[in-house]
Amino acid sequence: QQQVKQSPQSLIVQKGGISIINCAYENTAFDYFPWYQQFPGKGPALLIAIRPDVSEKKEGRFTISFNKSAKQFSLHIMDSQPGDSATYFCAASMGANAGNMLTFGGGTRLMVKP
Amino acid sequence: DTAVSQTPKYLVTQMGNDKSIKCEQNLGHDTMYWYKQDSKKFLKIMFSYNNKELIINETVPNRFSPKSPDKAHLNLHINSLELGDSAVYFCASRAQGGPTQYFGPGTRLLVL
Repeated sequence: QQQVKQSPQSLIVQKGGISIINCAYENTAFDYFPWYQQFPGKGPALLIAIRPDVSEKKEGRFTISFNKSAKQFSLHIMDSQPGDSATYFCAASMGANAGNMLTFGGGTRLMVKP
Repeated sequence: DTAVSQTPKYLVTQMGNDKSIKCEQNLGHDTMYWYKQDSKKFLKIMFSYNNKELIINETVPNRFSPKSPDKAHLNLHINSLELGDSAVYFCASRAQGGPTQYFGPGTRLLVL
């Protein structure tokens, strides 16, 4: 059973456009929701994260929108650049009692065309 | 300065062999993890470990065992390797009190 569902699987955006990736979760015990960026041949790197008591968090061109009642959260990349081309993963964790282990979504392969 | 490092980067071996993957972090973190990324890029937690507690994902076969000689190292030992073990294995670490996990570069395991 996949506890975090991510869509779309792949996304093509023109340079300067907005990239939007969506995630939905099942377990209401999740209390931390990070987004990771992974380039080919590299490990995932934290991009931005949010707690469920906040509805939106913005860092530069990256924004997380969080809807607790719908159990959904999304990543928006404004002014998308070719250098943003990577695989993006949403994730969720339940905190220290569960070892802060991350449950990942299936990933979205983003391609930004010049 | 590599924060989380893994060796080897690539590992090709025969079915039935036993192998180990090493992970070291120089961040002073208390908790370390192993994740498996399959051919479809799906990332799945295998273990969470600090000096007090090991949490094992129930789906991980007991052929996999984490071994920690000290707080900065968490090695992954795999017995009787199977074809389905072929994947990229990532180590990660986290500071006590903080949620952020820092990932290593991965070890690409191919079982023939």
